[in-house]
Amino acid sequence: GAGVSQSPRYKVAKRGQDVALRCDPISGHVSLFWYQQALGQGPEFLTYFQNEAQLDKSGLPSDRFFAERPEGSVSTLKIQRTQQEDSAVYLCASSLEPVSYEQYFGPGTRLTVT
Amino acid sequence: DQQVKQNSPSLSVQEGRISILNCDYTNSMFDYFLWYKKYPAEGPTFLISISSIKDKNEDGRFTVFLNKSAKHLSLHIVPSQPGDSAVYFCAASARGGATNKLIFGTGTLLAVQP
Repeated sequence: GAGVSQSPRYKVAKRGQDVALRCDPISGHVSLFWYQQALGQGPEFLTYFQNEAQLDKSGLPSDRFFAERPEGSVSTLKIQRTQQEDSAVYLCASSLEPVSYEQYFGPGTRLTVT
Repeated sequence: DQQVKQNSPSLSVQEGRISILNCDYTNSMFDYFLWYKKYPAEGPTFLISISSIKDKNEDGRFTVFLNKSAKHLSLHIVPSQPGDSAVYFCAASARGGATNKLIFGTGTLLAVQP
């Protein structure tokens, strides 16, 4: 079956621009996570949705980062006024149930801020 | 403060031999541990996991061992194959929070030489 998909796969933004990154989770998966992976590091948690409810946004690095999942399926991560330190791979993951630990990752969006 | 540590950035083994990847953690609240495998330009792929109530879990060529007293886990791959060459991430999660977010290590690059 279809896995988690993300678009765009690559995004180059000039410093100060706004970007929007899309995630299509596996159909029927209740839980959706966003992670940020800097070069040479492991993924770091940004935010979590259970259906349309954003239950944890403790990992968002600043108020320039905003995420939504209005209908409980597709999610968008928006970064306003991008800075160079925002350059990273943004990974989306989904899991079937909130009690599930196994998360299934998309291929990521590589964001480069110039 | 790195709660999950993978102290070996890279490992090289011969095809057919055993690969042992190590991971240490500091948070005693972690109760579930996972290994993910990542190829370049792809998202992490779930490989194997273990609950804190067990000390071993086996799946084909992959075995994960957990030593709770030492806060240490390891992934054994036997026999190693060239297709196993990838970055391996150790991840941990703690029950009881609002989310089963994963805390990742920095990864170990495994190279299996033919």
